[in-house]
Amino acid sequence: GENVEQHPSTLSVQEGDSAVIKCTYSDSASNYFPWYKQELGKGPQLIIDIRSNVGEKKDQRIAVTLNKTAKHFSLHITETQPEDSAVYFCAASRRNSGNTPLVFGKGTRLSVIA
Amino acid sequence: EAQVTQNPRYLITVTGKKLTVTCSQNMNHEYMSWYRQDPGLGLRQIYYSMNVEVTDKGDVPEGYKVSRKEKRNFPLILESPSPNQTSLYFCASSFSGTGSSYEQYFGPGTRLTVT
Repeated sequence: GENVEQHPSTLSVQEGDSAVIKCTYSDSASNYFPWYKQELGKGPQLIIDIRSNVGEKKDQRIAVTLNKTAKHFSLHITETQPEDSAVYFCAASRRNSGNTPLVFGKGTRLSVIA
Repeated sequence: EAQVTQNPRYLITVTGKKLTVTCSQNMNHEYMSWYRQDPGLGLRQIYYSMNVEVTDKGDVPEGYKVSRKEKRNFPLILESPSPNQTSLYFCASSFSGTGSSYEQYFGPGTRLTVT
């Protein structure tokens, strides 16, 4: 089955700096890679996702890149703000293939220091 | 407001006392799922349901039961809770488990402590 590794487990950055979180996956058939943000006391919320036919996707200060050959994908947050502080999870799955559940990484706790 | 609701939000119970955590969504989603979140382990799927009356095991199903009699509800049942089931539980739903709509919407979580 799929295995997703996520690094780092904790990350502290100064406000305004960039943050990068990296994930690797094991199943070459995985084709859907979402990122979820979990704020304190809340459930995870989708912030951006990418499919395997795309190498990069941007949404304002957030971008995700995918390298299918190396089987890794990354989340990039630019101009970080204190409200970006949260736990971020990457995940991988095979869409359009019955129930292949999302397999999550173990999470990265991001702290943005004002 | 489109949402997934869970009840209770917090529960402290004793070993062996049966309990049910309810989950309801108002988005007419076909797919529903239960996860547990433990420190250092991330989110792990317990059970999922592709549609009414269709349920299946996830990665960590031992000690749990589910049912899906109605589209909007997906309760999680612990027949005989044990301390190793102390965890933070999330219910999630999505339009479909396959196809183009796959964003999962998560509930606010239920923190369960079994003593």
